[in-house]
Amino acid sequence: AQSVAQPEDQVNVAEGNPLTVKCTYSVSGNPYLFWYVQYPNRGLQFLLKYITGDNLVKGSYGFEAEFNKSQTSFHLKKPSALVSDSALYFCAVRDKEGSYIPTFGRGTSLIVHP
Amino acid sequence: DTEVTQTPKHLVMGMTNKKSLKCEQHMGHRAMYWYKQKAKKPPELMFVYSYEKLSINESVPSRFSPECPNSSLLNLHLHALQPEDSALYLCASSQNTGQGALNTEAFFGQGTRLTVV
Repeated sequence: AQSVAQPEDQVNVAEGNPLTVKCTYSVSGNPYLFWYVQYPNRGLQFLLKYITGDNLVKGSYGFEAEFNKSQTSFHLKKPSALVSDSALYFCAVRDKEGSYIPTFGRGTSLIVHP
Repeated sequence: DTEVTQTPKHLVMGMTNKKSLKCEQHMGHRAMYWYKQKAKKPPELMFVYSYEKLSINESVPSRFSPECPNSSLLNLHLHALQPEDSALYLCASSQNTGQGALNTEAFFGQGTRLTVV
């Protein structure tokens, strides 16, 4: 079985400060991990993914995520937040031993204050 | 072209109406999905089509009827909906399904905001 947890409903950060949105996962085999962003009244947009290889993955809009196998985490990060980064962020996981249908976390609302 | 296009963007319908949501992609993807999303919640899978055949129905009520006329188009026919069906309906596509799909991301349309009155 595959599952993913986003422990924070909301993250608040000041513009220009670094941001982190947390995600932990549980899978039977090797995980395939994804981050998506959703702006108000829009669909989900793919940001980045971890499949294999380098634990630090770089994605769109300056975002990156670090895969940590021992902590089963895949936290989303950005060195300097922008007000325009304010949105809903979803972590998703697939498991080679499980379903090809991704399991989404509950979502984290990121609010960047000017 | 990396877009999934959904029409209409907004739809208001009565509980006795029949309407359809449409989705189109020209990326050559062979897997297409319908999701339902309530405010500030993750998307909930409804249906999956793989190579134009329905492969997953997540126990969705029969008042929702999907159709995949060809590899680029996906429809969702709506009939006798309830107010609790009001939500954002998202279409998505990916290269394929099964083990070959594990490392591929899904592309989402911007959704249809459905209100049932």
